[in-house]
Amino acid sequence: NFMLTQPHSVSESPGKTVTISCTRSSGSIASNYVQWYQQRPGSSPTTVIYEDNQRPSGVPDRFSGSIDSSSNSASLTISGLKTEDEADYYCQSYDSSNLVVFGGGTKLTVL
Amino acid sequence: QVTLKESGPALVKPTQTLTLTCTFSGFSLSTSGMRVSWIRQPPGKALEWLARIDWDDDKFYSTSLKTRLTISKDTSKNQVVLTMTNMDPVDTATYYCARMGAETDWFDPWGQGTLVTVSS
Repeated sequence: NFMLTQPHSVSESPGKTVTISCTRSSGSIASNYVQWYQQRPGSSPTTVIYEDNQRPSGVPDRFSGSIDSSSNSASLTISGLKTEDEADYYCQSYDSSNLVVFGGGTKLTVL
Repeated sequence: QVTLKESGPALVKPTQTLTLTCTFSGFSLSTSGMRVSWIRQPPGKALEWLARIDWDDDKFYSTSLKTRLTISKDTSKNQVVLTMTNMDPVDTATYYCARMGAETDWFDPWGQGTLVTVSS
């Protein structure tokens, strides 16, 4: 099986842009779609990106996703940061047996 | 509107078996492609996927926990049940159920979660 490694925390100022990485330890990042979930304190996770770069309806276009085969990683980019974006973010993908793998989560602070 | 809600004991003793129920509405688990998973989150820690059951009764388990987990469904009651044997304090967590739709390979929506504490 593989791991998805995320930075423990990132911080940025309101109005700026932040990127959170999610690096796959083995196998190609392009082998299986990557999803991103936002979890605000005390709440259940919600989807902000699915299938690498697709936004569910209702998610602002300030949120975008991408994958980079050269670094074997996925990225979540949030532009025009707002204080309401402060949350934990988790990447998620699948292994070859269709079992779910989550990243360790990244705490985003908007200060 | 799709909703899911977890229920079960808030406190279990070490070595006991935990039984959690996910009751959902707004979809049927007999519809082709529908799937329900259980995911847990220890306090202050990351999400961990546990198990999944599909519309056709296929079942999938976390490699590290498969010997302790059983997932089942009652389509008539719109419920999915997860049992976890030999509970330990490290299993203290919020347990969530979440749906994956027929053409949606991501978790949406999630239930509100239920906190289970393992302590004597």
